[in-house]
Amino acid sequence: KQEVTQIPAALSVPEGENLVLNCSFTDSAIYNLQWFRQDPGKGLTSLLLIQSSQREQTSGRLNASLDKSSGRSTLYIAASQPGDSATYLCAVVKGGKLIFGQGTELSVKP
Amino acid sequence: DAGVIQSPRHEVTEMGQEVTLRCKPISGHDYLFWYRQTMMRGLELLIYFNNNVPIDDSGMPEDRFSAKMPNASFSTLKIQPSEPRDSAVYFCASSLSRGRANSPLHFGNGTRLTVT
Repeated sequence: KQEVTQIPAALSVPEGENLVLNCSFTDSAIYNLQWFRQDPGKGLTSLLLIQSSQREQTSGRLNASLDKSSGRSTLYIAASQPGDSATYLCAVVKGGKLIFGQGTELSVKP
Repeated sequence: DAGVIQSPRHEVTEMGQEVTLRCKPISGHDYLFWYRQTMMRGLELLIYFNNNVPIDDSGMPEDRFSAKMPNASFSTLKIQPSEPRDSAVYFCASSLSRGRANSPLHFGNGTRLTVT
């Protein structure tokens, strides 16, 4: 059974700091991995999608990496801003299903 | 594009009542998903449709839950009768050809259901 774990559950950093969010999964036979952002009271917004054959994807200040062999993905946020405060979720696609981690709640203090 | 539209945003009902949640996917998307989110269990896939046909409903918790997609632009999730443990945020999401490159899931803003 595929399990997705995100560590830490919560993270608080000062503005301007670079940070890394971690995601691990137990079954490396995934189709792709996606990172989402969820603001309070809102749905999820897709940030980055990494196909299983890719190693990383970049969008602006965000960079996501994927290491299937070790069952890990990281989301790197450069020069964090208070507007980055949200919950970040990773999800893997396997067997036709998108399986989510529990998320990391990020707070960026001005 | 207006994105995935869900209604109502909030629903408060009494135990035993029927609840119907509605979703309009993004035009042209051929996959539609219903998820439930709680603090304890996180995001759980309930059911998904491809071209209006239910493909996998193994996540539907019990027979009290049912979902329909009568056409490409509308889906409903019904709970009858509702119970307090059904309280959660229910999300609808759509995508163009599941899991393919550059085809992420697009979520609605959810329906917050409270069953008293």
